[in-house]
Amino acid sequence: GAGVSQTPSNKVTEKGKYVELRCDPISGHTALYWYRQSLGQGPEFLIYFQGTGAADDSGLPNDRFFAVRPEGSVSTLKIQRTERGDSAVYLCASSLYGGPNTEAFFGQGTRLTVV
Amino acid sequence: AQTVTQSQPEMSVQEAETVTLSCTYDTSESDYYLFWYKQPPSRQMILVIRQEAYKQQNATENRFSVNFQKAAKSFSLKISDSQLGDAAMYFCAYSGAGSYQLTFGKGTKLSVIP
Repeated sequence: GAGVSQTPSNKVTEKGKYVELRCDPISGHTALYWYRQSLGQGPEFLIYFQGTGAADDSGLPNDRFFAVRPEGSVSTLKIQRTERGDSAVYLCASSLYGGPNTEAFFGQGTRLTVV
Repeated sequence: AQTVTQSQPEMSVQEAETVTLSCTYDTSESDYYLFWYKQPPSRQMILVIRQEAYKQQNATENRFSVNFQKAAKSFSLKISDSQLGDAAMYFCAYSGAGSYQLTFGKGTKLSVIP
C-alpha cells in the first residue's frame, strides 16, 4: 500500500477482554515498530521487528502484551486481560531497514479505550 | 537512559512569522540521531527533520531548520514563514546510532494565528 495502515482506527473494549490491533506496513519494509502514546505524552517504544523476528521487545510493559509478524509483513499487537491503564493510541511504523538512519513511516494509530 | 525534554507545552505564532521550539536531551552516547516529528490531529507522526550528531552543520528542510548545540545537548526547531498547516503537535526524539528505538519528548502544541 501507499502508507502504513492500522486497523481498527478506534477500539472500545471492556476491562478484562482480549484485543488485537493490526498493522500493515509499507510493502518491502523489513523493519516494523510498535509505540504506545498515552494522553498528553510522546510515543513510547514497545517492540521492534526485523523480518519475522522480534529483535527488541524491551518496551513491552508486561506479559499481557504480545506481538507477532509471522510472514514478515503484517503485524498484530495482542493485549490480554485489558486494563483501564492500557487506554492509549497504539502507533505502528515501518522502515526499509532498521535503525535511525532510515526514515520510519508511521500509521494513524489505533485509539484503544478500555472501559 | 536517554531522556528528551520539551519545556514548552504550548506555543503560538502569527502566520508568516518565525517560531522556535526548544528541546534538550541527556545521553552518554557519542553517536546518535535527533529528530523533529509533527503530529496533526490525524495522529500520524510525520518526520520534519533529522540531525546526525557527528555532523556539525545544522540540518535544513525548506522552511524548517535546527540549531544543534552538541555540547549543550540542545536541539531547537525553527519554523520560518509559518503557515496555517504547520499547526500541530511537535515532538523531539532521540535515537542512539546503534539503537532501533526512538525516545520522544512530551511534545509542544503549536498554534498558528491567521
